[in-house]
Amino acid sequence: QVQLQESGPGLVKPSQTLSLTCTVSGGSISSADYYWSWIRQPPGKGLEWIGYIYNTGSTYYNPSLKSRVIISVDTSKNQFSLNVTSVTAADTAVYYCGRYRYGSRIDFWGQGSLVTVSS
Amino acid sequence: QSALTQPASVSGSPGQSITISCSGTSSDVGGFDYVSWYQHHPGKAPKLMIYDVRNRPSGISYRFSGSKSGNTASLTISGLQAEDEADYYCCSYASSTNLLFGGGTKLTVL
Repeated sequence: QVQLQESGPGLVKPSQTLSLTCTVSGGSISSADYYWSWIRQPPGKGLEWIGYIYNTGSTYYNPSLKSRVIISVDTSKNQFSLNVTSVTAADTAVYYCGRYRYGSRIDFWGQGSLVTVSS
Repeated sequence: QSALTQPASVSGSPGQSITISCSGTSSDVGGFDYVSWYQHHPGKAPKLMIYDVRNRPSGISYRFSGSKSGNTASLTISGLQAEDEADYYCCSYASSTNLLFGGGTKLTVL
């Protein structure tokens, strides 16, 4: 059974960079069948798709966040990471990582990591 | 691109059936057979319930079913149980954003 676990600071100051890492266990991040994704949920709101990365490093970002988001992968550690630059209070959210079958579904999710943007 | 449109809330009594709708456009729901549904209990990881419009992952109860007509997808839960009370999100492949989520529906089991 594939498991994903987010990790990173729970508090980030405005204008700084939010950084999270997702560690994958029970499966290889180098699998040809899957992409690796980030999704977030602001308090009291719905889910928002952030983007994905493939094991080759190929990425796709939601156009609404594209200018501030970087997703990277470290296949040697079976991890992928999210950076969101120039954060504001609007970036406060629970951030989830997930295994993404392209176009079809996110079949495994992490438990989520709450990141609060505040001075 | 705006989120897919779901009702904010639905409710039903144990044993009853409910349906949650998910409305989009021809650029997302209507254009692809790539609609998925997720159950989310607060504080837990979202759980895949339906994928590719109507397919159930292994281990998901037959009480959950999905369908699509035109630009609107639906999730039906039959034989409602107390444990079904949760938030439900639809999601579709979208030509503009790759994936697009609905705003979520809170299901209350009375």
